[in-house]
Amino acid sequence: DIQMTQSPSTLSASVGDRVTITCRASQNINTWLAWYQQRPGKAPKLLIYQASNLESGVSSRFSGSGSGTEFTLTISSLQPDDFATYYCQQYDPHSPYTFGQGTNLEIK
Amino acid sequence: QVLLVQSGGEVKKPGSSVRVSCKASGGTFSSYAIAWVRQAPGQGLEWVATIKPIFGTTNYAQKFSGRVTISADESTGTAYMDLSSLRSDDTAIYYCAREGMVVPGYFQYWGQGTLVTVSS
Repeated sequence: DIQMTQSPSTLSASVGDRVTITCRASQNINTWLAWYQQRPGKAPKLLIYQASNLESGVSSRFSGSGSGTEFTLTISSLQPDDFATYYCQQYDPHSPYTFGQGTNLEIK
Repeated sequence: QVLLVQSGGEVKKPGSSVRVSCKASGGTFSSYAIAWVRQAPGQGLEWVATIKPIFGTTNYAQKFSGRVTISADESTGTAYMDLSSLRSDDTAIYYCAREGMVVPGYFQYWGQGTLVTVSS
C-alpha cells in the first residue's frame, strides 16, 4: 500500500497566520490527492481534490499544490473556524486508498 | 444537494456481526461509488471498502477481506456495510462517503457517522 506521511503532526498558529501542511507519498501518485478538514465530533469535509482543485463552497484561503510524491495544503490567513485536524488522502486508481495520519492545527 | 444519512449507533459483543446502513438523497445514487471509512477513537481515517452501484463491483481493504461485505440497493438508494467476527479494535465511527463527481476516489459527501462499540 502507498504510505502517506504528513508533517507536522501538530501545528500551533494564531489567527491571521499563513500555515502550510505537507504530505508525502511513498511512491508517485501524480495528482491523485485530496485534503480534508475534520472538526471535533464531525465528519470530514472535502477541501481540495486532484491536489489543487478547490471544492465548491470552500474558502479561497485554502489552496493545494504538488504532484508526484510531495504535496502541500496552505491556509492563507487563519480564521477561528480553521482550527481543526487536516488529513491528506491518496486515491491512485491502482492502489488501495490511504490517508495521512493527520495534522492537528491548534491555537497558539 | 446530496445527503447521506446513516443508521444509529450499535453496541455489539465480540464475535458478533453488525450492519450499518447509509441512505442517499439528492443526485443519482447509482452513478457514483460509495465508500466506507472508519475512525477509531482518537485515531485517523482508514478506508474500508468501496462499491460502485451501477456495476455492482466492490473493493475491500486487504485487512478487512473476509470480514466485511458491502452492498447497495438501488431501489432505495441505500448502501450497507456488514462487519462480522467483531473484535474490540473494531470499535470506531464508521462513515459512508460518496466519491467525487470529477474523478473517482476522493470523498465529496459524507454521512454523519455511526459509532460501533464492541464490548463484552
